[in-house]
Parts: sequence; structure tokens; C-alpha cells
Amino acid sequence: GAVVSQHPSRVICKSGTSVKIECRSLDFQATTMFWYRQFPKKSLMLMATSNEGSKATYEQGVEKDKFLINHASLTLSTLTVTSAHPEDSSFYICSAPRDQKETQYFGPGTRLLVL
Amino acid sequence: RKEVEQDPGPFNVPEGATVAFNCTYSNSASQSFFWYRQDCRKEPKLLMSVYSSGNEDGRFTAQLNRASQYISLLIRDSKLSDSATYLCVSPSGAGSYQLTFGKGTKLSVIP
Repeated sequence: GAVVSQHPSRVICKSGTSVKIECRSLDFQATTMFWYRQFPKKSLMLMATSNEGSKATYEQGVEKDKFLINHASLTLSTLTVTSAHPEDSSFYICSAPRDQKETQYFGPGTRLLVL
Repeated sequence: RKEVEQDPGPFNVPEGATVAFNCTYSNSASQSFFWYRQDCRKEPKLLMSVYSSGNEDGRFTAQLNRASQYISLLIRDSKLSDSATYLCVSPSGAGSYQLTFGKGTKLSVIP
């Protein structure tokens, strides 16, 4: 069964609004979670590393003020896309490592469409 | 500089065929590697982990060549359900949970 969940699975919003995406580890604690973005027919691109109890680490070119990350607990990380624009439309996926062998499990993803 | 390189394909093979994908990596310190499978519009799912010279799971065999810094994935007796994009994945750094993904190799198994 699923070990990482995401909510919502898809969202359509108007340009300028903010969208919050939740990522939960279901049966384990995750001090670290990762947020990825994938555009059609492109590879997964790491956006940021979410750290429980400290600030997120953003990859080069990812605006931290636009993509707000909050690792609220050991099982929950949220990504908020602020003032979303059509170019933010993408497939957002989170992941979390569950064991010491660095295996990561992915959430089912959130498909965002900004009109 | 790309750290994980894959042949993007697509590989179009008939049912029952054997197909192999190769992947090269640049981080010589990586101790483990992964093959993930991603179906269209879905999240990646772990297919195999490779920690030593190789791993075998049913019809799937992964091999690691540290000297040449490449990993391969062999699929025997291809099924229609094997059609997907296969992602070669390497940890980004020693002790790091971050992963570096290849762009993926698309496989289409044809009836």
C-alpha cells in the first residue's frame, strides 16, 4: 500500500491565487522530505528539501518566497505555491526516505493547473 | 553538468523480447543506485535497488559496474505491462537522501 500520500491529487485555480499541497508519510516519521516538479515529457526536478524543525533548502533557481515549505511535523510537509501563474502549472511530487538505505517513496503527485 | 545519463529511447520491443537499458553516473562516491518505473501521469515507483554488483528480481536484473560507472537494467520476457519510463537514480552525495534522476528511458512493449 501507499506509504506517502499527497493532497489534493489535482487542483485548478485562477492566476494570482495560492495553492497548498500536503505531503504525509503514512506509517513512518520523515525528518526530511523532498519536493519535485515535473513538466510534461520532462524529468523530475528537485525543487527543495523540507526539513522538520528547520528551514527548507531550495535548489538553485527556485524562489523560496514563491514556493513556501513548512515541515509542520514528522509526518507532514506542505508546499504552498503563492500567487500562482500559468507557468506554475505542473505535476508536483513529494518523496520521503523511509530507511537508512536511502530508498525514497513518492507520493502520488498533485497536478496543478493555473488558468 | 549532468550526473546521471540515460538513453531516452523510445525502445519499442515486441512482447517476449529481452531489452536492456544503460545508465552512466558521475558521482563515484555513490554506494547505491535505484531503478524507478514511472507510468504516464503517475509518480515514480521503486523497481530495484542496487547496492553491490547487481540484483535480480524475477524478470528484472540490474547490474552495476563501478569501474566504468554504469548501471544496467535487463528485462526478460517483456510484457505489455512493462511499458513505462524507467528512471536511473543515484544519490546526490554521500550520506545524503537527495537523489539525482536521469531523464528516463521510455519503453513500449508491442503486442
